[in-house]
Amino acid sequence: DAGITQSPRHKVTETGTPVTLRCHQTENHRYMYWYRQDPGHGLRLIHYSYGVKDTDKGEVSDGYSVSRSKTEDFLLTLESATSSQTSVYFCAISEEPFYGYTFGSGTRLTVV
Amino acid sequence: QQQVKQSPQSLIVQKGGISIINCAYENTAFDYFPWYQQFPGKGPALLIAIRPDVSEKKEGRFTISFNKSAKQFSLHIMDSQPGDSATYFCAASSSGTASKLTFGTGTRLQVTL
Repeated sequence: DAGITQSPRHKVTETGTPVTLRCHQTENHRYMYWYRQDPGHGLRLIHYSYGVKDTDKGEVSDGYSVSRSKTEDFLLTLESATSSQTSVYFCAISEEPFYGYTFGSGTRLTVV
Repeated sequence: QQQVKQSPQSLIVQKGGISIINCAYENTAFDYFPWYQQFPGKGPALLIAIRPDVSEKKEGRFTISFNKSAKQFSLHIMDSQPGDSATYFCAASSSGTASKLTFGTGTRLQVTL
């Protein structure tokens, strides 16, 4: 979607390696979120940010860390990738609560 | 724990028919209920949303019905079209939580000719 870009779009990595996914926005929105999408589970919140350097955990945060040093960038790091982290990862942004999210196009991550 | 339960998991509807997807929630603090539409290979996109101060909201062929006492809400797609074939997610959030959305598990809708 215009205004939010995820990179890379696809990645294959080996078990035990660190992986960083990037979300970049040009909308100057305050809130940013990382979700993972898995069949039968829908979208589950990993971490979110409510401002620069302000982040908090979601419901499935184990094994993940995030950083937000600039308004426009929100990084998701898998500290030591495991096969259970094979998933599609979506970043979302929101201007204010209840304005709805704008999602990126996703990153398909495969851990082998 | 699953705070938003969505059904059915999949749905096949004939062109021109009505598609109905249901969601139930547990957290009475939820006060914002959006629906998202997702096409293959794309991120979800906001379709329509409702607050609990109204029982129904309509936008074109899409209607949300909300029942606060039953803690249920549903999406109705009137005159369903093949282009509506997608996965639909309901979601919910509450005030003061950075608008963190809790999503249902999704419904894959197929509209046949």
